[in-house]
Amino acid sequence: SQKIEQNSEALNIQEGKTATLTCNYTNYSPAYLQWYRQDPGRGPVFLLLIRENEKEKRKERLKVTFDTTLKQSLFHITASQPADSATYLCALDSPAAYDKVIFGPGTSLSVIP
Amino acid sequence: DAGVIQSPRHEVTEMGQEVTLRCKPISGHDYLFWYRQTMMRGLELLIYFNNNVPIDDSGMPEDRFSAKMPNASFSTLKIQPSEPRDSAVYFCASSLGTGVTNEKLFFGSGTQLSVL
Repeated sequence: SQKIEQNSEALNIQEGKTATLTCNYTNYSPAYLQWYRQDPGRGPVFLLLIRENEKEKRKERLKVTFDTTLKQSLFHITASQPADSATYLCALDSPAAYDKVIFGPGTSLSVIP
Repeated sequence: DAGVIQSPRHEVTEMGQEVTLRCKPISGHDYLFWYRQTMMRGLELLIYFNNNVPIDDSGMPEDRFSAKMPNASFSTLKIQPSEPRDSAVYFCASSLGTGVTNEKLFFGSGTQLSVL
């Protein structure tokens, strides 16, 4: 069955550095991949979507790459700030259906001042 | 638009009681999703609807769980009877699907359910 994995440990980085989060998947080829941010006590908030035929997407300080050969997406936050501290989730369409959205376990990011 | 609205925000109940969670999606959105989030299992998809029709309920844990969408602006998730292991945060999300891929999901604030 399909499996989605993200950085297994929480990520702590210094303010101003680039944070890089990974999302790996197995056993299928998703049509798209999304990244969400979740703050404590809140629902996830959409950040970026990248399709299988796109290599890279940018939005302000955020950059997402999608390597369908490696079955991996990288999510970068440049010039990180303490306000970027949150849990980041990747989401993919399920092999069962393009419109069935399933999530990875998430990575907790802490940006230290 | 006010976004996806869920109620109640918190629910505390005793084992064996019926629990009903409610969701109002964003107007005009075709899709509605119910997820459950726990520390151990993360964000699990329970069921999703397209144009008020249930498409996939394979994530519903067991027959104690049921979901309905009687119209485009309202959905319920019911647990009867509830058990302590049902304790979790339940999220509702809606999206404007393209029919080929699903665009971004908009989540509600969730219902924190505690079954004692």
